Amino acid sequence: QSALTQPASVSGSPGQSITISCTGTSSDIGGYNYVSWYQQHPGKAPKLMIYDVTNRPSGVPDRFSGSKSGNTASLTISGLQAEDEADYYCTSYTSSTSWVFGGGTKLTVL
Amino acid sequence: EVQLLESGGGLVQPGGSLRLSCAASGFTFSSYAMSWVRQAPGKGLEWVSTITGGGGATYYADSVKGRFTVSRDNSKNRLHLQMNSLRAEDTAVYYCEGSSNWYYFKYWGQGTLVTVSS
Repeated sequence: QSALTQPASVSGSPGQSITISCTGTSSDIGGYNYVSWYQQHPGKAPKLMIYDVTNRPSGVPDRFSGSKSGNTASLTISGLQAEDEADYYCTSYTSSTSWVFGGGTKLTVL
Repeated sequence: EVQLLESGGGLVQPGGSLRLSCAASGFTFSSYAMSWVRQAPGKGLEWVSTITGGGGATYYADSVKGRFTVSRDNSKNRLHLQMNSLRAEDTAVYYCEGSSNWYYFKYWGQGTLVTVSS
């Protein structure tokens, strides 16, 4: 199972919005509404930010939102804050009863 | 409060074996699918294995299939990962994860480092 494709880095200024894309295939992202997103700060464990494409767990700010079109999922962060600077990973359930992660995107808040 | 605490990591020679454990608390362990996810130094996340709540079904990434075995003891709220025939590319921080819905990874431990080197 090949990794999902994410941009290596994105950046934005405080208050701005950014979008991170995550591209897969019809066997993963395109075939299921089981895309999730994780935030990871250096030296820390990942944190679930979005699940089932669009849902936010309790406690995650509504500045974080998810969407999907075809084989590509997206994470949008609006009103960027300094604490949003982190690595972000997407993942999808696959037709092989497995899970595949994206390569990760480093978000820099300028 | 959900807590997941991994143990058992360390330095092992190529071809060797290691058994990781994860002690769970704060939730009904037997109702949760449990997984192992790893992260090589400076690299991204990689799904390794998942086991259903009752332990009746297990799933593995192709990269570890036939070498790693996941198991759980619901009477002790513990998850295990037996790793055999270890390779240098298995060097990573191994995270224990639990979720009531196995389509995403909700609760994570802090990870345990496995280093495979001679």
